[in-house]
Amino acid sequence: EAQVTQNPRYLITVTGKKLTVTCSQNMNHEYMSWYRQDPGLGLRQIYYSMNVEVTDKGDVPEGYKVSRKEKRNFPLILESPSPNQTSLYFCASSLLGRSLDEQFFGPGTRLTVL
Amino acid sequence: DAKTTQPPSMDCAEGRAANLPCNHSTISGNEYVYWYRQIHSQGPQYIIHGLKNNETNEMASLIITEDRKSSTLILPHATLRDTAVYYCIVRVGSNFGNEKLTFGTGTRLTIIP
Repeated sequence: EAQVTQNPRYLITVTGKKLTVTCSQNMNHEYMSWYRQDPGLGLRQIYYSMNVEVTDKGDVPEGYKVSRKEKRNFPLILESPSPNQTSLYFCASSLLGRSLDEQFFGPGTRLTVL
Repeated sequence: DAKTTQPPSMDCAEGRAANLPCNHSTISGNEYVYWYRQIHSQGPQYIIHGLKNNETNEMASLIITEDRKSSTLILPHATLRDTAVYYCIVRVGSNFGNEKLTFGTGTRLTIIP
């Protein structure tokens, strides 16, 4: 089954404790992206990647890092989480240059930073 | 990408057709209309897209006006599982660049039993 998976689905942590949210897709998609969703602000893009070793900032990259060492994986790293990073996070993927095709989203990761 | 305007909420009786409008009066000739939905904090789900012709798939139909300034998403026989926030997105097609989707506030559709 074609899908995007994220782990963990729920995470409660404390300020400053490094964490990684994993994202993996099984569709051989070049393009992957991270969004965060906050009430009243909609979905905002954090980072995106157009292929292995090619990443770039989205609209709200501060406080986040990403890497793309393999085509299927695109982890989101919070080196020193802060309470304002409490949010619902989604990973997405699609074929590059085929934006007419649907973009697939993961199930989401709900992060709480105390 | 062009801005869209959608009603904040709508109700529809179960089994009836749900018609969700979207205004995109500043749409450009190379921009497509996409619809996604999000069911209660799940990941957004693609529904359908179109350029200027009406489109239909197994989930829905998309009607785009001749001047392309507005469109309507039609769910022909709404079920309780169609309760969700529906997003109308207008953007250019393939650009081999950032495929970012810009989600507005959407329409919260509630299907009434």
